[in-house]
Amino acid sequence: DTGVSQDPRHKITKRGQNVTFRCDPISEHNRLYWYRQTLGQGPEFLTYFQNEAQLEKSRLLSDRFSAERPKGSFSTLEIQRTEQGDSAMYLCASSLPGQGSYTFGSGTRLTVV
Amino acid sequence: AQTVTQSQPEMSVQEAETVTLSCTYDTSESDYYLFWYKQPPSRQMILVIRQEAYKQQNATENRFSVNFQKAAKSFSLKISDSQLGDAAMYFCAYKGMNYGGSQGNLIFGKGTKLSVKP
Repeated sequence: DTGVSQDPRHKITKRGQNVTFRCDPISEHNRLYWYRQTLGQGPEFLTYFQNEAQLEKSRLLSDRFSAERPKGSFSTLEIQRTEQGDSAMYLCASSLPGQGSYTFGSGTRLTVV
Repeated sequence: AQTVTQSQPEMSVQEAETVTLSCTYDTSESDYYLFWYKQPPSRQMILVIRQEAYKQQNATENRFSVNFQKAAKSFSLKISDSQLGDAAMYFCAYKGMNYGGSQGNLIFGKGTKLSVKP
């Protein structure tokens, strides 16, 4: 197992375009989390899944954001009609229930121009 | 709401010396986890050490140890024998056990940038 994988590593998009990111968690981890990290800040929680069920969403997750984990394995995070304020690092993490600590991926850096 | 505060935006240490990074948090919960994560310039967040609040003994992982003061809500990280590879952003994080409530929310501080001088 190579850990948590995220694709792409970098994405540059024009304002108003839609973007989709993918996260492949550690295979035996049934919990998957999305975080957003802006420059000079710690990561902020966006949403999390247990298997295919999305159990919690942050207020940061506006209507333009949608996340899925259709088969309880990989997950996608889509941002519609991107805005410059969406520019950030999007981090994915996974864990087992009760494990406390998370394993993070390397992130996808989004730049909206 | 829980908060995590790291009051040192930047710290510097000489190679082979010891440095302590500070973290305070605020919570009304009695059961929780505390973590220190390291984020090198390659940016993958790596777990350094974790502490369960019910454990009185301070966690230790090789050169890394914590000073956990539950009553003071303080959780500092000590790095002994600092190495060049320790240079990174260090984030303190909190996760409540909050049974029946939020299970996904790992709350991070703003981080401390550690530089190691040769």
